[in-house]
Amino acid sequence: EIVLTQSPGTLSLSPGERATLSCRASQSVSSSYLAWYQQKPGQAPRLLIYGASSRATGIPDRFSGSGSGTDFTLTISRLEPEDFAVYYCQQYGSSPFGGGTKVEIK
Amino acid sequence: EVQLVESGGGLVQPGGSLRLSCAASGFTFSSYSMNWVRQAPGKGLEWVSYISSSSSTIYYADSVKGRFTISRDNAKNSLYLQMNSLRDEDTAVYYCASEIVGACFDYWGQGTLVTVSS
Repeated sequence: EIVLTQSPGTLSLSPGERATLSCRASQSVSSSYLAWYQQKPGQAPRLLIYGASSRATGIPDRFSGSGSGTDFTLTISRLEPEDFAVYYCQQYGSSPFGGGTKVEIK
Repeated sequence: EVQLVESGGGLVQPGGSLRLSCAASGFTFSSYSMNWVRQAPGKGLEWVSYISSSSSTIYYADSVKGRFTISRDNAKNSLYLQMNSLRDEDTAVYYCASEIVGACFDYWGQGTLVTVSS
């Protein structure tokens, strides 16, 4: 089973700053099957990125995904107040979700 | 607009059973695979089960295999999760999620809370 490790566990940043979240797989995975989700307290997760780099419908372009093989990155170019949340990566089909990265206000 | 609405959660004793439902609307339900995902209080996301559009392919997480059964009724645009032999560790919010885009969980319901406790 592929294990996804997200880092850091918590990212403390200020609005307007750039956020870089990492998702590392225990073995090479297909970029086509790598997705990112955002979850705010008390809400269901929301799809942000699929296929490693494609934005889901309605997702602002400040969110971008990149990577291949075992290393993937979610970048939020300039944090807005509504972006402070927990982010999960997922390798569709063969593994559970990553453990999540919490982006909190510094 | 895609909508997924879960129901059926509640308090159940260990060893008991519960049936969750997910009502789908806003898309051609019969054409797409569906999933159940759960989240224990204060924890991360855990995929539970998958069912293909025609119910021909079904998968379960090891943690629920043999106890949970996923099913769907395409005529009623509904997804189900029959949960038997419930354990304390099954306590979680259960979400249904669709695969319309493909290879990801693109739409999610609001979740239904299952609490297993004596």
